Amino acid sequence: DIQMTQSPSSLSASVGDRVTITCQASQHINNYLNWYQQKPGKAPKLLIHDASNLETGVPSRFSGGGSGTDFTFTISSLQAEDVATYFCQQYDNFPPFTFGPGTKVEIK
Amino acid sequence: EVHLVESGGGLIQPGGSLRLSCAASGFTASNSYMSWVRQAPGKGLEWVSVIYTGGSTYYADSVKGRFTISRDNSKNTLYLQMNNLRVEDTAVYYCARGRLVFPIFDYWGQGSLVTVSS
Repeated sequence: DIQMTQSPSSLSASVGDRVTITCQASQHINNYLNWYQQKPGKAPKLLIHDASNLETGVPSRFSGGGSGTDFTFTISSLQAEDVATYFCQQYDNFPPFTFGPGTKVEIK
Repeated sequence: EVHLVESGGGLIQPGGSLRLSCAASGFTASNSYMSWVRQAPGKGLEWVSVIYTGGSTYYADSVKGRFTISRDNSKNTLYLQMNNLRVEDTAVYYCARGRLVFPIFDYWGQGSLVTVSS
């Protein structure tokens, strides 16, 4: 099975800062990589699919990139409402559809 | 508008059984890959099971042989039959819609808490 790692596991940044999260797959997954946002007590929300495709209605400050085994998720200007945990998920060699362990984003 | 509403969670003793339901509306569930994803308290997301449009089913190794995913097309409802439950199955269980035949989970239910404890 493909394993997913994310770094950092948590971060604290100021409003307006640029924030970047990395996700690494244990083997090549092409661009079959999705990013989700989960706020406390809520279900996850799909933000980006296929590594870099922003979901309709998701603010443009969110972006994704990468391919192969290494991927990034960026918030260009952190807002207070972006406080959440962010998960990556691969689906190249499915099933199982593996999630990363998550990155908790807080405001400094 | 797409909605997924889970039900059936609760407190159950180890070794017991429980069936979760996920009522879908606003789309035809049999036209999408439908999954169950769980989240243990304070932990990350774990994919549990999927049922494909053609009816094929797959499971995470952690639940294989104990859980069964199914759907009732007439009710547009997804199920997860959970048998021989273990303490480590304690989690919020979400049903999630895959975008057509891709496991891009674009809609999620609100979740149903299953607590396995004596």
